[in-house]
Amino acid sequence: DGGITQSPKYLFRKEGQNVTLSCEQNLNHDAMYWYRQDPGQGLRLIYYSQIVNDFQKGDIAEGYSVSREKKESFPLTVTSAQKNPTAFYLCASSISGITDTQYFGPGTRLTVL
Amino acid sequence: AQSVTQPDIHITVSEGASLELRCNYSYGATPYLFWYVQSPGQGLQLLLKYFSGDTLVQGIKGFEAEFKRSQSSFNLRKPSVHWSDAAEYFCAVGAVEYGNKLVFGAGTILRVKS
Repeated sequence: DGGITQSPKYLFRKEGQNVTLSCEQNLNHDAMYWYRQDPGQGLRLIYYSQIVNDFQKGDIAEGYSVSREKKESFPLTVTSAQKNPTAFYLCASSISGITDTQYFGPGTRLTVL
Repeated sequence: AQSVTQPDIHITVSEGASLELRCNYSYGATPYLFWYVQSPGQGLQLLLKYFSGDTLVQGIKGFEAEFKRSQSSFNLRKPSVHWSDAAEYFCAVGAVEYGNKLVFGAGTILRVKS
């Protein structure tokens, strides 16, 4: 089955630790995205990538980093510089452009203790 | 700056009743418009999208939406709601001029009374 996999579903970390969230897709999509979701705020774009080895900051990139070494993978690292990292993180992919449907993974809920 | 407003945080309707969820946007370019639905703790699924042409678009699960340029609105409708429609609904807007990214509204939580 084609789709987007995010792991793990739930993640707990101590304050001050970096943590990496996994996102893998087998849809052969060029574009991938990371969103953060907080109650009452909708989805906010963290980073996006339109092609391998290239990515752009979204609206709330501070305290996060990404890499895009393979077409199917777009991991997100939440660094200790992120002041309020507890949130629900969603990964998405699309064929390429703005008119293409974004397909979402099931999300990872990160809790920093 | 681009923005998307969903004025209703929560809406409760009775099963079988009609539904309208509101979405207003502020964009300095020709927008591409989307509605997504999210079940609790899950990812988002596309309901429908509008790029051009007929301003009334049909989507999955019996949903439709109408683009009104003069009102900068893209409201989502369903003639008869089912209990399984209870979820959170997000309107999203994008434009080529602003790069390959979407701006999402804050969402509307739909509750269905039996």
